[in-house]
Amino acid sequence: DIQMTQSPSSLSASVGDRVTITCQASQDISNYLNWYQQKPGKAPKLLIYDASNLETGVPSRFSGSGSGTDFTFTISSLQPEDIATYYCQQYDNLPGTFGQGTKLEIK
Amino acid sequence: EVQLVESGGGLVKPGGSLRLSCAASGFTFSSYSMNWVRQAPGKGLEWVSSISSSSSYIYYADSVKGRFTISRDNAKNSLYLQMNSLRAEDTAVYYCARGTGGLDVWGKGTTVTVSS
Repeated sequence: DIQMTQSPSSLSASVGDRVTITCQASQDISNYLNWYQQKPGKAPKLLIYDASNLETGVPSRFSGSGSGTDFTFTISSLQPEDIATYYCQQYDNLPGTFGQGTKLEIK
Repeated sequence: EVQLVESGGGLVKPGGSLRLSCAASGFTFSSYSMNWVRQAPGKGLEWVSSISSSSSYIYYADSVKGRFTISRDNAKNSLYLQMNSLRAEDTAVYYCARGTGGLDVWGKGTTVTVSS
């Protein structure tokens, strides 16, 4: 199975900060990489698909980049409502695998 | 409104069976691949199984292969997960989700607890 290594596992930042999360695949997955946001007690929500495409309705402060094995997720200006856990997910090989998650907190 | 609603979760003893269902509405169910994703208490997401729109392609995580069976009934707009030989480590919230790559629609989940 393809392993997804996400870092950091937790992150504390201030409102307005630029926040970056990385995800590394154990093998080349091209751009078959998605990013999700999950708030406590809720289902995950797709934010970014195919590494860099913003899902409809998602604010433009969220972005993604990368290809091959190394990927980055960025929030350009952290807002209070962005407090959640974020997951990367590969689908080059099905069933896909998720990263272990990054819990984002407000400083 | 595009919606997925899971049902069928509950408390079951180790070695027991459960069948989860997912009712879809608001979109052409037969055009989409569907998936089951689970989340153990306090843990991350685990992709369990996928089925293509016509059931031609089916995939399972190694952790459930041989014990779980995914199926769908396009006439009933429904997705299923038959879970046999359940173990304590199968305890989780089970979500159904739409999509082949990016999972763009999720249900609210149904809770499965495996305990004696």
